[in-house]
Amino acid sequence: DTGVSQNPRHKITKRGQNVTFRCDPISEHNRLYWYRQTLGQGPEFLTYFQNEAQLEKSRLLSDRFSAERPKGSFSTLEIQRTEQGDSAMYLCASSLIGVSRNNEQFFGPGTRLTVL
Amino acid sequence: KNQVEQSPQSLIILEGKNCTLQCNYTVSPFSNLRWYKQDTGRGPVSLTIMTFSENTKSNGRYTATLDADTKQSSLHITASQLSDSASYICVVSDRGSTLGRLYFGRGTQLTVWP
Repeated sequence: DTGVSQNPRHKITKRGQNVTFRCDPISEHNRLYWYRQTLGQGPEFLTYFQNEAQLEKSRLLSDRFSAERPKGSFSTLEIQRTEQGDSAMYLCASSLIGVSRNNEQFFGPGTRLTVL
Repeated sequence: KNQVEQSPQSLIILEGKNCTLQCNYTVSPFSNLRWYKQDTGRGPVSLTIMTFSENTKSNGRYTATLDADTKQSSLHITASQLSDSASYICVVSDRGSTLGRLYFGRGTQLTVWP
């Protein structure tokens, strides 16, 4: 257990429905990242926050995707009008910038999304 | 283009045997290289992290090497156990990136048979 938690662990939804995932990072970590991972691939960067500010979004993050970190602690990732291509593992990671130049990221267990 | 390539894509070994996984990268400028272990259906867990000045680092039965000149790394697993069955992902970070974005390989899927 890395200290990063994600809920739910699994989500099955029908195409066109909206889904929301939650990530609780390690409490003192100021950076939070979202990644998407499909079978047989490494994680792909989606977006990241420093405290409550969303500083970068990947081109993979279409208009149907939105992420928030309202109080600089937990974060939510919402996918609207889900498509079958959204089926993947969504990983959250957190890190503490400033202490270590290595910016080591600690990953949560992921949320497995299946869109039928 | 910053890339991380891993080989082999998959590997099957018998319990107790050793194995070596390879990682080649083109990420520049280089900051550090990490090896992660990812069990099926779980998030990646860090095994080792090496900076430019380090050429070997061990974590129990896992030993990682880094050749920053040739931009190659390896992960050696000794006396494999059934619990070593997982995907091993090589991840490289570029120097000076305030983003701290990581470049991921696709992973090597290791299966250890009894």
